Amino acid sequence: GAGVSQSPSNKVTEKGKDVELRCDPISGHTALYWYRQSLGQGLEFLIYFQGNSAPDKSGLPSDRFSAERTGGSVSTLTIQRTQQEDSAVYLCASRGSGTGFMEAFFGQGTRLTVV
Amino acid sequence: GNSVTQMEGPVTLSEEAFLTINCTYTATGYPSLFWYVQYPGEGLQLLLKATKADDKGSNKGFEATYRKETTSFHLEKGSVQVSDSAVYFCALSDPLDMNSGGYQKVTFGTGTKLQVIP
Repeated sequence: GAGVSQSPSNKVTEKGKDVELRCDPISGHTALYWYRQSLGQGLEFLIYFQGNSAPDKSGLPSDRFSAERTGGSVSTLTIQRTQQEDSAVYLCASRGSGTGFMEAFFGQGTRLTVV
Repeated sequence: GNSVTQMEGPVTLSEEAFLTINCTYTATGYPSLFWYVQYPGEGLQLLLKATKADDKGSNKGFEATYRKETTSFHLEKGSVQVSDSAVYFCALSDPLDMNSGGYQKVTFGTGTKLQVIP
């Protein structure tokens, strides 16, 4: 597609359930990021994938969070045993590679509500 | 670690007023600095950037100058319009591997909501 696509756009889940959030990056983009946007907290870095390199997982808040990127394209962020504090908007971004600055393009996010 | 501090909102201005949104940062080395904008119902978009000290980024009438001596990157616009109403995020990143676009994770501020009234 023309831009970064995320699904679902909204997700309401019960506390303790697992959820999967999907990101389809721009075709050909080698870098993919996940961020979390909580009310009044700005954007919190979660994880970064760059090509075939090992992902930078330094931002994942707990071992309940994991992410994978299959075939260097689609990425799935999984949250196990969801808690109310996981409620936030989860944003995905992708970026091409090359010399010089390459802009990261963001999807519209998945709004997760844990009840 | 890196951090970004920006003025809290919401900021409410009348159309054609002058806008300043303050942003200061803490980082090791020489980060690159960005302003992103999030219009209602849309995703984040890069507004402007500056990659070294004294650079001025500009776009759509907005400007920001990379001030290393004050570790600041304040966003300004001389005459705001209703269509500028959005949330603005200041951000920074360390340039690492220039062969892959040069930038890894970006650290964002908390965002400043701007509302421009006619």
